[in-house]
Amino acid sequence: AQKITQTQPGMFVQEKEAVTLDCTYDTSDQSYGLFWYKQPSSGEMIFLIYQGSYDEQNATEGRYSLNFQKARKSANLVISASQLGDSAMYFCAMREGLYSGGGADGLTFGKGTHLIIQP
Amino acid sequence: DTGVSQNPRHKITKRGQNVTFRCDPISEHNRLYWYRQTLGQGPEFLTYFQNEAQLEKSRLLSDRFSAERPKGSFSTLEIQRTEQGDSAMYLCASSRDQETQYFGPGTRLLVL
Repeated sequence: AQKITQTQPGMFVQEKEAVTLDCTYDTSDQSYGLFWYKQPSSGEMIFLIYQGSYDEQNATEGRYSLNFQKARKSANLVISASQLGDSAMYFCAMREGLYSGGGADGLTFGKGTHLIIQP
Repeated sequence: DTGVSQNPRHKITKRGQNVTFRCDPISEHNRLYWYRQTLGQGPEFLTYFQNEAQLEKSRLLSDRFSAERPKGSFSTLEIQRTEQGDSAMYLCASSRDQETQYFGPGTRLLVL
């Protein structure tokens, strides 16, 4: 089974609209971290936002927020007031065994969502 | 604060040749990671170092792949006897302990 599932290969959104990018995950660990990265066409992975499995509040960073629903194992990224510069690939990722010292410490990524913001 | 840097940014080589990529992490970061990203996929974790110790290498794709971080600062990833299937983007990331990983711009490898 895939550990990270992103069901939207591509999305078109009008500028200034809010957009939600879906991410579901699969783990049996109690302690884990969820991340979202943005990858423009230049190729560099840009960190956007982080949510720890024990965090009770949803993470927010500027226009980005993470809608964390632990029971449903989902960690959707919400971008408010989208801008043309938001056009990029977006990847959801997980690191397991966050506080236990277990796991390989590498991130497991989904296949990504290609977001295109239209003027 | 200087970010993660990788060199070269692009590499074209012929099948069977050896290639080496370099990664310079953010200066205060003690952990360094290597990933491979093929077209249409998310990055795939290969290996990581804590200081100079390589703590995970079972994810390296074959024995043709090796990585070093001799002084706990920069790291190199070597691929011996390259194959066309090795064509990909190779990404390096660094972090302070288990905190967020920050990525470099990547090295795009094309094996002809």
